[in-house]
Amino acid sequence: DIVMTQSPDSLAVSLGERATINCRSSQSVLYNSNNKNHLVWYQKKAGQPPKLLIYWASTRESGVPDRFSGSGSGTNFTLTISSLQAEDVAVYYCQQYYIPPFTFGPGTKVEIK
Amino acid sequence: EVQLVESGGGLVKPGGSLRLSCAASGFTFNTYSMSWVRQTPGKGLEWVSSISTSSTYIYYADSMKGRFTISRDNAKNSLYLQMNGLRAEDTAIYYCARGFGTMVRGPCDYWGQGTLVTVSS
Repeated sequence: DIVMTQSPDSLAVSLGERATINCRSSQSVLYNSNNKNHLVWYQKKAGQPPKLLIYWASTRESGVPDRFSGSGSGTNFTLTISSLQAEDVAVYYCQQYYIPPFTFGPGTKVEIK
Repeated sequence: EVQLVESGGGLVKPGGSLRLSCAASGFTFNTYSMSWVRQTPGKGLEWVSSISTSSTYIYYADSMKGRFTISRDNAKNSLYLQMNGLRAEDTAIYYCARGFGTMVRGPCDYWGQGTLVTVSS
């Protein structure tokens, strides 16, 4: 199985500052046939279902604010919130959908400093 | 409007069974893969199972193989998860989620509100 790790476990960022979350997969999730990374980022707020933010590692879902961006390829990925807003307080998860089981990372909790 | 509504959760004893349902509306159900994902108390998200549009491709997490069965009824716009041999560690909120079109190996763009399964004696 592909193991997903995230760092840090949690981070506290001041409003308007940048938040950076890292995700690593134990093997590459780059699919050569379509040259796409099978990596997605979700936002999970308490009491709500997960929300799709970024797919194919860097494609922002429709309606997601452009302060959210994804980057990386192969085994190393990053989710960046360029200017943290109060409504961004949540746990952020990466997930690979390259090979089943489609494993999630353990999550990164983002709080306001 | 896309809607996914889970039902069937509840309290069950260890070793017992439950069948979760997910009623879908607002989209052409038989053209989308579907998945179940769970969140255990105080822990993170865990992918459970995914199924292709015509049920040709079905995948499970290792810990659920042989105990859980995913299925769908395209005529009823419904997704199911039959859970047998339930354990305390299966206690979680179970979410139904829609995939990216026919792709089973893809992200989920719409999610239900979840149904709580509690396994306890």
